[in-house]
Formats: sequence, structure tokens, C-alpha cells
Amino acid sequence: DVKVTQSSRYLVKRTGEKVFLECVQDMDHENMFWYRQDPGLGLRLIYFSYDVKMKEKGDIPEGYSVSREKKERFSLILESASTNQTSMYLCASIPYPDRARGYTFGSGTRLTVV
Amino acid sequence: GENVEQHPSTLSVQEGDSAVIKCTYSDSASNYFPWYKQELGKRPQLIIDIRSNVGEKKDQRIAVTLNKTAKHFSLHITETQPEDSAVYFCAARGDYKLSFGAGTTVTVRA
Repeated sequence: DVKVTQSSRYLVKRTGEKVFLECVQDMDHENMFWYRQDPGLGLRLIYFSYDVKMKEKGDIPEGYSVSREKKERFSLILESASTNQTSMYLCASIPYPDRARGYTFGSGTRLTVV
Repeated sequence: GENVEQHPSTLSVQEGDSAVIKCTYSDSASNYFPWYKQELGKRPQLIIDIRSNVGEKKDQRIAVTLNKTAKHFSLHITETQPEDSAVYFCAARGDYKLSFGAGTTVTVRA
């Protein structure tokens, strides 16, 4: 089974802090994604990466950045955390070129910004 | 970009009855449509998917239908059981990215 591991299950950060959310997958997948999940809004794509050092903006990239220095690791960075970034963050991955398959999700990081 | 709408937002059914969730999408280039189930406190899990060259797919009590002309697809759960209670998400994809619906909270009453 593919494993997508998110380093923290719960995080509490203060407004203005720089926050790093880490995601690691163990199946040599090329494509990795960061979503945030909010009640009534579903899952919204923040950023994705289709290769090392490559990144693309999703639907809601404002206030976020990403880093992919190694194939297995995709980091989401909140440059200056704000209360409206309190949410559940989900990482996912799929292989290439098998793009026509569903994602494997990590277990999620629930971030609270106070 | 792709816009996926999902209805209803909540659905309560009697155990043994059927449940139907409907989704529409906007991008005619989308060619892959998965459905996810998310139980409380857990990650979304793929339960069934369908590709654009197929009109219907069934897996035991779960079935999905796709109407490409109308740009809508549906999830059907028959003989519902308490363990079917969860949030269900539909999604659509044309290239790399999945666009998700807002989710349907399904409650199966015993």
C-alpha cells in the first residue's frame, strides 16, 4: 500500500508565525498535492507539484508557498499564519503517467491559528 | 478551471433504503470521476471511479453513472447499512488536478 505521511496530526500556531507542514510518500510518485478541507466547501487545491523543484498554483494559493527539493517530500509553507488559515490540510500523491487514478491521501493535519 | 457542484449537502436514509448523490461539472475536457468516502476523523478513501468512456460502473452495493452530454454523474448506494454513514465527495479531473464537490453527509438511520 502507498503510504502518504503527514508529520503532524494537530498543530496550534500563533498569528504571524511561519508554519511548515510536511508530507512524505514512499512510492516514488511524481505528482503531489496540497488541499485544504473546510466544512461546506469540500477540498480546495492550494498547490501541486508534478516533479522535483516543479510547482503549480492551485485554486487558492494566496498566503501559501511550497517546496519540493526531493521527490518523496512536499512541504506547504504558511509564510505568516492568519486565523483564516485555520483548517484541515490534506496531502495527496499519484504516480505518473498513471494520472487517471484517484489520489492517495495522507491522514491530514488540523491546524489552528490563534 | 473546473467547477464541481454536489447535491444534496445532507442525506438521511433508513437502513436498507437507497441513497443517491448527484454531481455536475463544468469542464467538458474532464475525463475521470472518482468518489471518496470520508469517515469521521479519517482521510478520504477512494470507493469507486469512472472514466469518460464508460456510462456506468458497479461494485457490490455501490454504482456510479456518468452522462457526459449533460455533464453530470451520480453515486448510488443500495441496501444502505450503518457503516455507510460518512461524508461523500465527488470529483472530476481533466489533467493532473482533481476538483472536488462540497461533500454530502450521509446518515443511515437504524
